[in-house]
Amino acid sequence: EAGVTQSPTHLIKTRGQQATLRCSPISGHTSVYWYQQALGLGLQFLLWYDEGEERNRGNFPPRFSGRQFPNYSSELNVNALELEDSALYLCASSSLNEQFFGPGTRLTVL
Amino acid sequence: SQQGEEDPQALSIQEGENATMNCSYKTSINNLQWYRQNSGRGLVHLILIRSNEREKHSGRLRVTLDTSKKSSSLLITASRAADTASYFCATVSGGYQKVTFGTGTKLQVIP
Repeated sequence: EAGVTQSPTHLIKTRGQQATLRCSPISGHTSVYWYQQALGLGLQFLLWYDEGEERNRGNFPPRFSGRQFPNYSSELNVNALELEDSALYLCASSSLNEQFFGPGTRLTVL
Repeated sequence: SQQGEEDPQALSIQEGENATMNCSYKTSINNLQWYRQNSGRGLVHLILIRSNEREKHSGRLRVTLDTSKKSSSLLITASRAADTASYFCATVSGGYQKVTFGTGTKLQVIP
């Protein structure tokens, strides 16, 4: 069974640009979670999608947004990038109470 | 502030020793989970303990939960160099099963 996949692996952008990160959940999982992990810090919850709807959102500005598609894959969009957006962005899909994580996308903002 | 605060932030031990990491949280939970992360990559689920459980074992892992103190501990026995990683606790709470991660403990096992 394929795990959670994320693309791209690395992304380098400049300040002010927009970034799009993609996530494909494990087959059969309808929930997708996004987390930000800045260097040396713990995971910060960003967004939770389930059945195509945004169910919950962390304490992030509106320039962090996303969506979930009918096939349950998801996109995270970050607009007007700032230097402090540089981080590892992790996506997870869930079954019951366990979350399965993808390898992450490392976003670097120059 | 983080729902889960972990202690210590970093831990360095010799191979064969036991490693204990602690996690404290603030609100009531449905369950608490421990994850492992190697080299800044994705997380791997280790173990889940429900709010009505006090102790759980999985291989060399032992997790305890004290809901009265809002704390949990992860014990790795007979550590190996391959256990070197960051370990995170995550609380699951509320009707929407909100997951909140702690700040993590960086474990180094020296061969």
